[in-house]
This record gives sequence, structure tokens and C-alpha cells, in this order.
Amino acid sequence: EVQLVESGGGLVQPGGSLRLSCAASGFTFNTYEMNWVRQAPGKGLEWVSYISYSGNTIYYADSVKGRFTISRDNAKNSLFLQMNSLRAEDTAVYYCVREFYNWNLTSWLVFYDLWGQGTLVTVSS
Amino acid sequence: DIQLTQSPSFLSASVGDRVTITCRASQGISSYLAWYQQKPGKAPKLLIYAASTLQSGVPSRFSGSGSGTDFTLTINSLQPEDFATYYCQHLDGYPITFGQGTRLEIK
Repeated sequence: EVQLVESGGGLVQPGGSLRLSCAASGFTFNTYEMNWVRQAPGKGLEWVSYISYSGNTIYYADSVKGRFTISRDNAKNSLFLQMNSLRAEDTAVYYCVREFYNWNLTSWLVFYDLWGQGTLVTVSS
Repeated sequence: DIQLTQSPSFLSASVGDRVTITCRASQGISSYLAWYQQKPGKAPKLLIYAASTLQSGVPSRFSGSGSGTDFTLTINSLQPEDFATYYCQHLDGYPITFGQGTRLEIK
């Protein structure tokens, strides 16, 4: 079955750290770009970070730059998000998301076609 | 950064109705726009990509249009399972952004 399964969420105090993991299965993980997207309780979707299929290109949202680190282990079909210096405003469900990216004759096709079920991170004292 | 503004934020409609949600980008994004549906407690689901291409398995009552800065998502003949929140997303470079969402509720 093609799926993404996140783990590692939980309750952490402000200033603390947490490492999220995402296990991919059912597809060739090392050929896909990957992202983390989060959603604060009752709020909309916020893109967090991107990593290319090789891991050579990485982007972050300004809100997490310098505090979060995205990485991947293609041998283990896994994506990670190391979150340091956590703040209350980082409280959210974090989704691991697969990005489809391909050239279609005249333009690029880009979209997020596979989402995990999400893992809840709560930052509170 | 590219900002996306969806309207309306809230929409009340009945089963069988036709509804349209709009998404306006702060600058031109060609056709690099996707639409997602999200139900409470669930992950978003891709409906439309490249502004107007229906994702495999998505019912044909969903359609998308537009390019540049103005886009629309139309749902024909609303079904009970369509009541959810809808988001647009631009994919014309990073940072990626989403619209604020449109909550579609049963009248």
C-alpha cells in the first residue's frame, strides 16, 4: 500500500526539541521530493519545509528557519524533521507530504499527491 | 512571497447546488495552482492540479479553471460528502503558500 506514516509527535515544553519521522512505503521514495506541512488547531495549512529527492536542495518557511532541520534517509525510506527551540506557535498537526514534480511537454506539473495522517506536536509548559 | 486570497471564507449551500470558490494570487503564477479538500480530523486530499486537471479518482462534478492570478473551483450538484473545507495552493516556487480556506457547510 502506498502510504506515509508520521511519528514522534507529543507534548514538549517551550524551548525544547522534538524529532518527527515519516516512514514511506509502497513507492520508490528516492525519486520523490518531500515536504512537511503543518496545521495549527482550527487554522489553515502552512508549508514548513522541502527537501529534494537527493537531499541536496532544502527550503524552509521563514517561521522555522534556523530552528528546524529537514533530512531524509533514502536507504530507509524515511523523512525527518528535527525541531529545536520550540515555541507555543509551533503547536500543530505536522503532515509528511509527497510532491509530484515532472515535465509535461510544455510545463512542469507540480502538486502534493500523498499526505500522511499527521502527528500532533503540542508546545506548552 | 506570493499571497493567496480565497473567497468566500464560509459558504452555506444545499445538496444539489452548484458552488464556486475563488482564489486570487498576489502575482502571476501561470497554472501552478492546486485545490485540496479537507474533512475534520483528516489529511487534505488533492482534487485539482495545474489549475484545471482533475486528480485521478476525483468525481467529475469538481472542476477548476483560471491562470495567472485568478482561479476558481466549481462543484456541480453538491453531494453530502462534499461538505468540507477547501484550500488553494500555489506551487510556483518556494515558499509555497495556501489560501486561508473556504468552509462549505450544509444549509
